[in-house]
Amino acid sequence: DVKVTQSSRYLVKRTGEKVFLECVQDMDHENMFWYRQDPGLGLRLIYFSYDVKMKEKGDIPEGYSVSREKKERFSLILESASTNQTSMYLCASSPLVPRASYEQYFGPGTRLTVT
Amino acid sequence: DAKTTQPPSMDCAEGRAANLPCNHSTISGNEYVYWYRQIHSQGPQYIIHGLKNNETNEMASLIITEDRKSSTLILPHATLRDTAVYYCIVRVAEYGNKLVFGAGTILRVKS
Repeated sequence: DVKVTQSSRYLVKRTGEKVFLECVQDMDHENMFWYRQDPGLGLRLIYFSYDVKMKEKGDIPEGYSVSREKKERFSLILESASTNQTSMYLCASSPLVPRASYEQYFGPGTRLTVT
Repeated sequence: DAKTTQPPSMDCAEGRAANLPCNHSTISGNEYVYWYRQIHSQGPQYIIHGLKNNETNEMASLIITEDRKSSTLILPHATLRDTAVYYCIVRVAEYGNKLVFGAGTILRVKS
């Protein structure tokens, strides 16, 4: 079974704090993604990575950065947390081969509250 | 990516088959149909996908019409744990291609 784990299920941070969200997958997937999910707005892509040290911006990268130093780990960084970054953050991974169908496997999510 | 239309909600009796429809009349030839579900307060879960043939795995079956303009996800013996929001997505299978969820169908399985 594919396993995607996220470092925290719930997190409360203060405005201005630097926040690190960690994601680890154990299936040797090349692609990894960070989304946020908000009521009425659905799923929005923040960043994705298709290889170690490679990253591409998604639809809403402002206020976020990412790091992928190892294939299995993809970190999302909120440089200076703000209240509008209160959200559910979801990490996903996706295989490149052999099926090449690019289904995505999600972690349990981190519900971040910024006060 | 093509747009999909799903009913907002459905009820199903426990132990019965749940048939969730999805319309995707503008689907292109290279677009796959994917199904995901999301149980309350959890991350989305991949269920199944297909291009034009019917597909079955340990979780569900996917029936795609011959013209590919609609599909049905079948959970053969629904349980209470299948209560979730089910999303039908049509997209090209390529690296980095993000998932975009619509409103989905809220499936309530009742005892």
